Amino acid sequence: DGGITQSPKYLFRKEGQNVTLSCEQNLNHDAMYWYRQDPGQGLRLIYYSQIVNDFQKGDIAEGYSVSREKKESFPLTVTSAQKNPTAFYLCASSPRHGQYSGNTIYFGEGSWLTVV
Amino acid sequence: RKEVEQDPGPFNVPEGATVAFNCTYSNSASQSFFWYRQDCRKEPKLLMSVYSSGNEDGRFTAQLNRASQYISLLIRDSKLSDSATYLCVVNEDSSYKLIFGSGTRLLVRP
Repeated sequence: DGGITQSPKYLFRKEGQNVTLSCEQNLNHDAMYWYRQDPGQGLRLIYYSQIVNDFQKGDIAEGYSVSREKKESFPLTVTSAQKNPTAFYLCASSPRHGQYSGNTIYFGEGSWLTVV
Repeated sequence: RKEVEQDPGPFNVPEGATVAFNCTYSNSASQSFFWYRQDCRKEPKLLMSVYSSGNEDGRFTAQLNRASQYISLLIRDSKLSDSATYLCVVNEDSSYKLIFGSGTRLLVRP
């Protein structure tokens, strides 16, 4: 089935450690995104990528890094510089659309990261 | 002012009730609008896109008011399974960036 796969679903990190969250899609979508969601809050954009080998910072990129070496993959690294990383992380993708045609986004099931 | 604002609720309604949510957006140049549904501890899922002419999908009706910069979602004949958080989403320009509201929580009781 086509879709977006995130792993791991649950991850515990010790303070000072870097961790990498995996995101893979087989939808042939050009654009991919990482969002962070805190309890009772909306989604905040960390990074996004419109095409392979290119990515842009979102609203809360500090303490995070990404790569887009393949169209299908957009891993997110949460570094030790991220002071409050405990959150629900959502990867998403969307097909390439032109202006005014809308932009539907599809999400993976999410990854829960807890700092212990 | 937040870019996309929603009443957090919760809206607590009995089964069979009609309930409506509004969402306001600050950027008049916004072009695309969506409603997503998010169940507790799950990923958001697209409920419906919102078109200028308004659109309906079964018990759900979405409308856009560009002059007042808000979109609405109407749910008729509420079901227990409609209990969830409803996220308003706005695409501000031709980029791929989507702005999410914080969501409105709906609780449908028997």
